[in-house]
Amino acid sequence: GNSVTQMEGPVTLSEEAFLTINCTYTATGYPSLFWYVQYPGEGLQLLLKATKADDKGSNKGFEATYRKETTSFHLEKGSVQVSDSAVYFCARMMDSSYKLIFGSGTRLLVRP
Amino acid sequence: DAGVTQSPTHLIKTRGQQVTLRCSPKSGHDTVSWYQQALGQGPQFIFQYYEEEERQRGNFPDRFSGHQFPNYSSELNVNALLLGDSALYLCASSLVGQGALAEAFFGQGTRLTVV
Repeated sequence: GNSVTQMEGPVTLSEEAFLTINCTYTATGYPSLFWYVQYPGEGLQLLLKATKADDKGSNKGFEATYRKETTSFHLEKGSVQVSDSAVYFCARMMDSSYKLIFGSGTRLLVRP
Repeated sequence: DAGVTQSPTHLIKTRGQQVTLRCSPKSGHDTVSWYQQALGQGPQFIFQYYEEEERQRGNFPDRFSGHQFPNYSSELNVNALLLGDSALYLCASSLVGQGALAEAFFGQGTRLTVV
C-alpha cells in the first residue's frame, strides 16, 4: 500500500543533543517527501521537502535526504534547542495526486 | 497577510447534529484541502476543492461534504455527527498554478468535540 511510517515517540533529548527521527515510505513510483512541524495549539508548518532521489531538504538546522534505495527520509538536526519541542510529521505526495499522506507523528521534547 | 484562517476555533456538538466549518485561504491561493486529525494521529485527507469543484477525495463517507466559493473560501459540512468525528479539522491552501507540489499552508484548525 501507500503509506508513511515514522518512529514512535516521545523522543526526549537534552539541549544540544543530536536528533534523528526515522521515516520510511511505501509508494508506487517516486513521491515528493515532506517534514511538517506542529507546535502546541497550532496548525502544521512545512519544515522542509525533497522532490527527487538524493535531494536534501534543509531548514532551521534540520536536514533530511531522500533515499530511494532505502525508501527513507530521516529527519536530523545536529544540536536541538528547547524551542524545537513539537510534533514532527513525515508526509509524501505523488505527482499525480493532490493529497498529502502523513505519518502518525513523533513528539519531540527537548529539556534544558 | 493573514495566512489561512479557520472558524470557529472550537466547537461542541451533539451526536446526530450537523456542523459547518469555514476556511479562508492564504491570499493569492486558489486551492483548499481539508484534513481530519484525530488525537495523537497524523492528518487524514478528506478532500480538495479547486475552481469550486471537488477535485479529489479521501476515504471518508458521504456525510462529509464541502463547498468552495468564488472567492476561494471553503466550507466543510459533516452530517449526522458521530462520536468518532471528534478531531482537529485542518484546512490547507495552495496555488495550483505552481503545480501539484505547491507548498500547502495550514490553518490552526477547528477542534470539534462530539458528545
